[in-house]
Amino acid sequence: DAKTTQPTSMDCAEGRAANLPCNHSTISGNEYVYWYRQIHSQGPQYIIHGLKNNETNEMASLIITEDRKSSTLILPHATLRDTAVYYCIVRPRRAAGNKLTFGGGTRVLVKP
Amino acid sequence: DGGITQSPKYLFRKEGQNVTLSCEQNLNHDAMYWYRQDPGQGLRLIYYSQIVNDFQKGDIAEGYSVSREKKESFPLTVTSAQKNPTAFYLCASRDGDEAFFGQGTRLTVV
Repeated sequence: DAKTTQPTSMDCAEGRAANLPCNHSTISGNEYVYWYRQIHSQGPQYIIHGLKNNETNEMASLIITEDRKSSTLILPHATLRDTAVYYCIVRPRRAAGNKLTFGGGTRVLVKP
Repeated sequence: DGGITQSPKYLFRKEGQNVTLSCEQNLNHDAMYWYRQDPGQGLRLIYYSQIVNDFQKGDIAEGYSVSREKKESFPLTVTSAQKNPTAFYLCASRDGDEAFFGQGTRLTVV
């Protein structure tokens, strides 16, 4: 699976958009970008994934650059409950059978 | 409700004892995973299983063992060979795009 690079931490203001970058310059053509988040002392939670088109769901938006070497997770209106560690992962999309590895993630602190 | 259950939430053991952490899922997922997380760190993969009766070592398998005799169960044994067993252990299952995690077991070895 391709390696990802994320900032160690970032702060954002409550009610503002939070833009979380992720670099994945070695991504392969069959690898998708996935985002998870982990609230303190809980198991990680899936947020969103995409291949090359921008994606949006009720939690967030995912913007993937045209060359697919980087992406940005956008939390449109950050709340205090969005304080968490956010993990960006790239891997092939298969029903089962491949490793699921996490990097260090970005520790996001939403401030009032 | 469908989900993945880890038990117990907190576990204390004396040094030198083996301990088994439970992970059960009723999501009918083929793939299951075990991770270790130390304070302020990310998740590190211990073992994973693609299908019943099959499993592979992850990045930090030394001192751990697993079994996958049933699709819904993937227990992890922390053996006395594990040098620093105190950690937060997370189990996950996946079948498709989304992985589902349990709430974790916090193991303390004294």
